[in-house]
Amino acid sequence: DVKVTQSSRYLVKRTGEKVFLECVQDMDHENMFWYRQDPGLGLRLIYFSYDVKMKEKGDIPEGYSVSREKKERFSLILESASTNQTSMYLCASSFQGGAYEQYFGPGTRLTVT
Amino acid sequence: QKEVEQNSGPLSVPEGAIASLNCTYSDRGSQSFFWYRQYSGKSPELIMSIYSNGDKEDGRFTAQLNKASQYVSLLIRDSQPSDSATYLCAVNGFGGSYIPTFGRGTSLIVHP
Repeated sequence: DVKVTQSSRYLVKRTGEKVFLECVQDMDHENMFWYRQDPGLGLRLIYFSYDVKMKEKGDIPEGYSVSREKKERFSLILESASTNQTSMYLCASSFQGGAYEQYFGPGTRLTVT
Repeated sequence: QKEVEQNSGPLSVPEGAIASLNCTYSDRGSQSFFWYRQYSGKSPELIMSIYSNGDKEDGRFTAQLNKASQYVSLLIRDSQPSDSATYLCAVNGFGGSYIPTFGRGTSLIVHP
């Protein structure tokens, strides 16, 4: 079974803080993704990575950065958290050789106050 | 612009009935199609994938794909209250694109 884990299920941060969200997958997947999900807006892609140290912007990269130093780990960084970044953050991974079905982590519910 | 459209619902069905969830997509070159189930407050879980025209059955779930009409559907037979969730349709594009386009999901309510 594919296992994708995220560092926290719930997180509360203050405006202006630097926030790190970590994602780890154990299936040797090349592709990793960060989404945020908000009611009525669906899943929106923030960043993705297809290899170590490689990253590409998704649809809404503003205010975020990412890091992928190891194949199994993909971190999302909020440089200066703002209240409009309160959301559910979902990490996913997929295998490059298959049909690219994605497997999701449990999600992090981030609240910025 | 690749688009995946789903009726947001809610779709309400009685326990034991067949629930039919539909999805249309705009990219005619799409090759892989997925259904995810998402319970409230949880993350999406992959439940079905389909790649060729026709039906694919897995237990109570049947995925149907019609590439000519650009739609994919999910049938849930003998619906149970535990099937109440939001169902997301995802489509992967032509040419090896590994970034799926997700629909916004259909909320299903199965009432006893």
